[in-house]
Amino acid sequence: DAGVIQSPRHEVTEMGQEVTLRCKPISGHNSLFWYRQTMMRGLELLIYFNNNVPIDDSGMPEDRFSAKMPNALFSTLKIQPSEPRDSAVYFCASSEGPVGGHQPQHFGDGTRLSIL
Amino acid sequence: SQKIEQNSEALNIQEGKTATLTCNYTNYSPAYLQWYRQDPGRGPVFLLLIRENEKEKRKERLKVTFDTTLKQSLFHITASQPADSATYLCALDSYSGAGSYQLTFGKGTKLSVIP
Repeated sequence: DAGVIQSPRHEVTEMGQEVTLRCKPISGHNSLFWYRQTMMRGLELLIYFNNNVPIDDSGMPEDRFSAKMPNALFSTLKIQPSEPRDSAVYFCASSEGPVGGHQPQHFGDGTRLSIL
Repeated sequence: SQKIEQNSEALNIQEGKTATLTCNYTNYSPAYLQWYRQDPGRGPVFLLLIRENEKEKRKERLKVTFDTTLKQSLFHITASQPADSATYLCALDSYSGAGSYQLTFGKGTKLSVIP
C-alpha cells in the first residue's frame, strides 16, 4: 500500500498565480479530507468528500479556494489567485468507511506552499 | 467559544521516564478522541482512538485516558525512547452539524526525549 500521495511536495510561486495541489488517496478509502497547517492556527480542515461528493466545505477560507474529486483516486485543491497569506503546508488525508464512521485518517506528507 | 488546548508547546523528558501529554477541550461534545504523531516534514500518523464510554486504551507503551467530565484526555508514553521524539496531536471527533463527524485538531505538543 503506497499510502496517500500528494504532489508537488514543494511549490513556490508569485502572488496572483494559480496553484493546483494534487492528491491520490488510498485505494478503497471513500472519504477524503484537505487540511491546511500553519504555526499560528495549527491543522485546519478545509473540505471533505465522501464517495467523491463534497460534504462540508465550510472550512474553505475564500472563493479563491476550490476543490474537486472527479473520481475515487484523485482530488485537487486549487487556489486562484494565490496570495502570500496562503503560504502553509497543505495535507490530504483519506479514511475508509462512511462519514461519521470514526475511522483513523491516513495523511500524505503534504505540499509546502510558499507564495511570494 | 470552542477551544482545544494541549498542555504545552514543548516537553523535554529523560529517556526511560514516562511522558504525559494533556489535551483539554471546552464547548465540544466529542464522541471519540484520536491521537496522532507528526514528525518534521511528514504528515500526522494515527496512533490511538478512544470512545467516550471508554476510560482507558492501551497499545504497547502507549496509554490514553478520556474523561468527559473533566473534558480532558491524557496520553502516556512509558519507558520513553529518543525515537519517541515528535509532535503529538490530539483530535476531537465530534458532530459537525453537516450530517457527519469531523476531526478538530489541537496544535500539538513537541516531545523531546533526551538520552
